Amino acid sequence: GESVGLHLPTLSVQEGDNSIINCAYSNSASDYFIWYKQESGKGPQFIIDIRSNMDKRQGQRVTVLLNKTVKHLSLQIAATQPGDSAVYFCAEPNNAGNMLTFGGGTRLMVKP
Amino acid sequence: EPEVTQTPSHQVTQMGQEVILRCVPISNHLYFYWYRQILGQKVEFLVSFYNNEISEKSEIFDDQFSVERPDGSNFTLKIRSTKLEDSAMYFCASTQGRGTEAFFGQGTRLTVV
Repeated sequence: GESVGLHLPTLSVQEGDNSIINCAYSNSASDYFIWYKQESGKGPQFIIDIRSNMDKRQGQRVTVLLNKTVKHLSLQIAATQPGDSAVYFCAEPNNAGNMLTFGGGTRLMVKP
Repeated sequence: EPEVTQTPSHQVTQMGQEVILRCVPISNHLYFYWYRQILGQKVEFLVSFYNNEISEKSEIFDDQFSVERPDGSNFTLKIRSTKLEDSAMYFCASTQGRGTEAFFGQGTRLTVV
């Protein structure tokens, strides 16, 4: 499919290594954050979310860390696989919960 | 697994023409959204829709755009008098409630020539 994010920051990792993708947010009042994965030619797909009353949440092979002090969010992917190759976006809803604001995205490339 | 479906997958239109992008949200969802993604850029919010009216809209969603839920299953985005800069991927999404997980469709690639 056509490449999305030609000017995105790129993280290149070896298959089997762990990946860490970072995101900074500006609104200190934000209380909910979401990570989305977007494969080439597809729509964003929900991966994991976290509320501001937590600083860590784990899923299957993924962990999200939230540091409210420095307004920083990270997505950790354990044992990265070729199928993890995609663009990853953090997103946060507005206070009304009726729109999402997406970050700029990071392209993850997994080398076999 | 339920999914959001969008048609067409690719639409080519001449500048100045009107296009209608179609979406079928997940059946028990109540909130519907349109987002767009210009090539190489991030996903941008256009509009949200609830209870047959617009709930929120961005600066991008000007008088050129309109949304409609013509029946119990479809949700459409109409773009009047298309411009070259309207070329983008347009994604429909739906949620069960406010601030809950958003499910996105595969997108419609709009190319204005």
